[in-house]
Amino acid sequence: DTAVSQTPKYLVTQMGNDKSIKCEQNLGHDTMYWYKQDSKKFLKIMFSYNNKELIINETVPNRFSPKSPDKAHLNLHINSLELGDSAVYFCASSQLGTSRQETQYFGPGTRLLVL
Amino acid sequence: AQKITQTQPGMFVQEKEAVTLDCTYDTSDPSYGLFWYKQPSSGEMIFLIYQGSYDQQNATEGRYSLNFQKARKSANLVISASQLGDSAMYFCAMRGLNKLVFGAGTILRVKS
Repeated sequence: DTAVSQTPKYLVTQMGNDKSIKCEQNLGHDTMYWYKQDSKKFLKIMFSYNNKELIINETVPNRFSPKSPDKAHLNLHINSLELGDSAVYFCASSQLGTSRQETQYFGPGTRLLVL
Repeated sequence: AQKITQTQPGMFVQEKEAVTLDCTYDTSDPSYGLFWYKQPSSGEMIFLIYQGSYDQQNATEGRYSLNFQKARKSANLVISASQLGDSAMYFCAMRGLNKLVFGAGTILRVKS
């Protein structure tokens, strides 16, 4: 009964490859997010989707393309991987609204290592 | 724009004692939310506690409480009766426009 799940948990790949990370939430939330945590543990928003529509794109290179087939899923596809893409990628979800409703619940993270 | 500052890169606390992790924020929005998350060495992000800007009382969740001082723009996390399992990275975050803005985090180590 995992609330927010991500696959794969670990991803090791060569520079230049294309890879995808999948995220699913069963919390009934209407908003999903991708965050990147760098090697210094700093967390930054990448994308946010509300009801399958993109609402935030935080100056992320266009090699990163999110896709939300439905409210419960948000995938991240990365083209032409670079060394600097190595990081932990977290998916999160919340219900847009007021106060505590907007608490974001995170998936377990995907550890991407580009060689 | 929102900004979160956590000035303590690392903290030590003796088991069973209380510890305060500092967080200050900056925003021009009159309505905002503040969150604390725990990230143990296993890597997951665990939601701990939430404080709304209009909440009259400080938030509490079990051993966690939030010392919210609006005039000082601070939202410190207090962990009472520390346990070894509390050793982790702790992040303060603020709800921005459809996103969370995070501080740099504080590593807490609980000593036995």
